[in-house]
Amino acid sequence: DAGVIQSPRHEVTEMGQEVTLRCKPISGHDYLFWYRQTMMRGLELLIYFNNNVPIDDSGMPEDRFSAKMPNASFSTLKIQPSEPRDSAVYFCASSTPGTSGSSYNEQFFGPGTRLTVL
Amino acid sequence: TQLLEQSPQFLSIQEGENLTVYCNSSSVFSSLQWYRQEPGEGPVLLVTVVTGGEVKKLKRLTFQFGDARKDSSLHITAAQPGDTGLYLCAGALARGSARQLTFGSGTQLTVLP
Repeated sequence: DAGVIQSPRHEVTEMGQEVTLRCKPISGHDYLFWYRQTMMRGLELLIYFNNNVPIDDSGMPEDRFSAKMPNASFSTLKIQPSEPRDSAVYFCASSTPGTSGSSYNEQFFGPGTRLTVL
Repeated sequence: TQLLEQSPQFLSIQEGENLTVYCNSSSVFSSLQWYRQEPGEGPVLLVTVVTGGEVKKLKRLTFQFGDARKDSSLHITAAQPGDTGLYLCAGALARGSARQLTFGSGTQLTVLP
């Protein structure tokens, strides 16, 4: 298995431009998570999906951020318009429901997209 | 304020030394995980602990979950340069979704040869 795939790996854009980050989860995983990592705030959960349905988007910073999961093998995180404070590494992770009777599961992270907004 | 506080934030030690990283909270967790992250990569799971007082060992790494399930520690014996990385604890709140993890602020460990 190729693991979680994210694209692009690096993105440099100017303030005000639209940015789209892409994620392909591991096949068979039915949970997908989007995180943002910065030195100041660490790793923050933005939104997560179960079976392509958004479950909790309370971590999405503002209306400029939106996420979609049109099918089980693809998700996007869009920022429009982008601002310099959005500069961070954005991670996508996926997981399975876990073993029967358990309430925890391993999250498999992609390599991240390093976003720089000038 | 972070829900999960990790200490220390930075740790630089010589090869062969022992070290302990702490992860503390005032909240109760149904499970707690430890991840390691290397530069340019995403975090990778090391271990999951679910029972208060549980101790798990992974070669030279020993993980402990507090009795009250509010804290955890990671102890590394005879650290090696390959242990260098960012160590993150992550918990699933007992009163929240089991799928949603809250990550600690991280401990950046550097092991010098």
